[in-house]
Amino acid sequence: DTGVSQDPRHKITKRGQNVTFRCDPISEHNRLYWYRQTLGQGPEFLTYFQNEAQLEKSRLLSDRFSAERPKGSFSTLEIQRTEQGDSAMYLCASSLPVGSSPLHFGNGTRLTVT
Amino acid sequence: AQSVTQLDSQVPVFEEAPVELRCNYSSSVSVYLFWYVQYPNQGLQLLLKYLSGSTLVESINGFEAEFNKSQTSFHLRKPSVHISDTAEYFCAVSDSGSSNYKLTFGKGTLLTVNP
Repeated sequence: DTGVSQDPRHKITKRGQNVTFRCDPISEHNRLYWYRQTLGQGPEFLTYFQNEAQLEKSRLLSDRFSAERPKGSFSTLEIQRTEQGDSAMYLCASSLPVGSSPLHFGNGTRLTVT
Repeated sequence: AQSVTQLDSQVPVFEEAPVELRCNYSSSVSVYLFWYVQYPNQGLQLLLKYLSGSTLVESINGFEAEFNKSQTSFHLRKPSVHISDTAEYFCAVSDSGSSNYKLTFGKGTLLTVNP
C-alpha cells in the first residue's frame, strides 16, 4: 500500500490558463473521489468515479472543470480558464467498494491562481 | 442530504489536559460517522469511525468518540493531549445506505496544544 499519490503538490498559474492535476489511487481501490478544500473550510465533494465511470458530480463542478479516469486507474482533474476563486487545495481520495471502507486521502494539490 | 456542524473552530489547550471536540450531524437516514485529522500541508488521515455496534469507538493514539443517536452527536475526546496532537480535526458523515459513500465534512476544529 503506497498510498494515494497526487501530482503536482503545488501549482501557481495565471488567471485564464488551464491546469491539470493527476491522482494515482491505491491500486486495489476502484472508487475515486475529488474534493476541494479552501482556507478555513472542510473538504467539499466535487466528483466520484467507480472504475472508469464518473457516477456523480457536485453542482460545485462548473463546466470549466472536467475529470476523467481512463481505464479505471489514475484520474485527472482539469480546470479550464482558471479564475482566482479556483485557488484551493484539491484532494483526491480512494476506497474499496464497501460502504464501511474509509476514504484514503492523498496530500493534495495546492492551486494558486494569480 | 446530510450536514455536519463542528461547534468550535479553534480549541487551545495545555499539554496533558483533557479535550473534547464537538460534532453534531443532521441526516434523515442512517449514517456512518468519521473523524479525520489533517496536519499542515498534508491530506486527511482517518482517526476513527463509527459504523455500527458499540457506540464508543477508539483510535490507536488515545482518542475516542461516542455516537449519540438521540442527540445526533459524535464528539471526540482525549483524556490527556500531547504537543503532537496539534492539528485540524474534521468530523464527517456518510449515508450508510448510499451507493457512493461520499463524505460530507464539517468545517473543522483547529486543536492547538500548548506547553
